[in-house]
Amino acid sequence: SAVISQKPSRDICQRGTSLTIQCQVDSQVTMMFWYRQQPGQSLTLIATANQGSEATYESGFVIDKFPISRPNLTFSTLTVSNMSPEDSSIYLCSVDAGVTGELFFGEGSRLTVL
Amino acid sequence: QKEVEQNSGPLSVPEGAIASLNCTYSDRGSQSFFWYRQYSGKSPELIMFIYSNGDKEDGRFTAQLNKASQYVSLLIRDSQPSDSATYLCAVTRGYNKLIFGAGTRLAVHP
Repeated sequence: SAVISQKPSRDICQRGTSLTIQCQVDSQVTMMFWYRQQPGQSLTLIATANQGSEATYESGFVIDKFPISRPNLTFSTLTVSNMSPEDSSIYLCSVDAGVTGELFFGEGSRLTVL
Repeated sequence: QKEVEQNSGPLSVPEGAIASLNCTYSDRGSQSFFWYRQYSGKSPELIMFIYSNGDKEDGRFTAQLNKASQYVSLLIRDSQPSDSATYLCAVTRGYNKLIFGAGTRLAVHP
């Protein structure tokens, strides 16, 4: 299994600001995934990030709002731009194990937007 | 129709009983199926995966898959209070994207 570190673990942000979440993996992985978990809800896939190419976004998510970087095989960032209270969520970075498709998750970044 | 459907619960079972968690999915092309456990305030952790029809057992956990009925379930035998958590069903879409159900909250009472 991979060890995945996310920063920050939590933050309180003001409306209209942007925050960048970092995800570091202890091994090289091809694909990284960003999920959102709103309060009391399940996980919703935001985008898939491959190294060296633009991220692929799911329906309802756009690059202007959630820009993603993937500069190498162990690191990715997700920015939540122009935040509103509706963006208050846990944002989770995940990687696949490469064998049977299961995902491993970081500890998540809990964002509260006031 | 949601891609992955689960009863939100809570499912309440007494300690020592069998807990049965169910999940249906809409995409017949899904190949792999996963059960995750999520404790409150924690990230999901993988319990089991299954990709062939039938049963797969791992300790107190048994995953069951019926692709014809598009149905996957998780049985937890000898349920313990420490099993109290939300159980998320996830299925693959396409090559390796995982789509999650809303989760079933399980409460095991002494």
